[in-house]
Amino acid sequence: YVLTQPPSVSVAPGKTADITCGGTNIVHKTVHWYQQKPGQAPVLVVYDDTDRPSGIPERFSGSNSENTATLTISWVEAGDEADYYCQVWDPSHDDWVFGGGTRLTVL
Amino acid sequence: EVQLVESGGGLIQPGGSLRLSCSASGLIVSNNHMSWVRQAPGRGLQWVSFIHTGGSTYYADSTQGRFTISRDSSKNTIYLQIDSLRADDTAVYYCAGGRLERRFDYWGQGALVTVSS
Repeated sequence: YVLTQPPSVSVAPGKTADITCGGTNIVHKTVHWYQQKPGQAPVLVVYDDTDRPSGIPERFSGSNSENTATLTISWVEAGDEADYYCQVWDPSHDDWVFGGGTRLTVL
Repeated sequence: EVQLVESGGGLIQPGGSLRLSCSASGLIVSNNHMSWVRQAPGRGLQWVSFIHTGGSTYYADSTQGRFTISRDSSKNTIYLQIDSLRADDTAVYYCAGGRLERRFDYWGQGALVTVSS
């Protein structure tokens, strides 16, 4: 199973960033999103398509529809600048798949 | 607070072997599904191996039988043995896991493995 993300997204502070994750019939899978800042380990920011772990701001939200899942970051801040990865579990192939990652740049 | 601490990385010659360790606190490894995920320099995340709470293990096709994941409940630690190391195994190896198989709730800080002569 292949997940496709745009390599980069740029957004001005205070605006909304949408980071997409494409996959065939991805709506039938459960999508998770991770944030990775330079030199740091990934952090789960959205799980099970739409839920947020404790401590993650409400500005982070997720959706999943047909062939595209989306991580939306509202009121973007400079501190949101990072790489973002989507991930699904493909139990039919005993595989855990990551998208290629999207670098979010805050202008 | 959950902490996962990897160790055992370093500079290894091609063809060599190493064993990475992931010591856990605030989490019982035998009650959680644990994985190893690696990241080559400047590249994205790649899942490599998984151990189920029940003991079943799974590997990415790219590991080609060279990787072995294991668990020591008495030490609350998981391991990744890598044999016949190749240059393209060079990466930061992260220990990750959680209560559900489908995602990675917790991550360690990573251990750098460099394969070079």
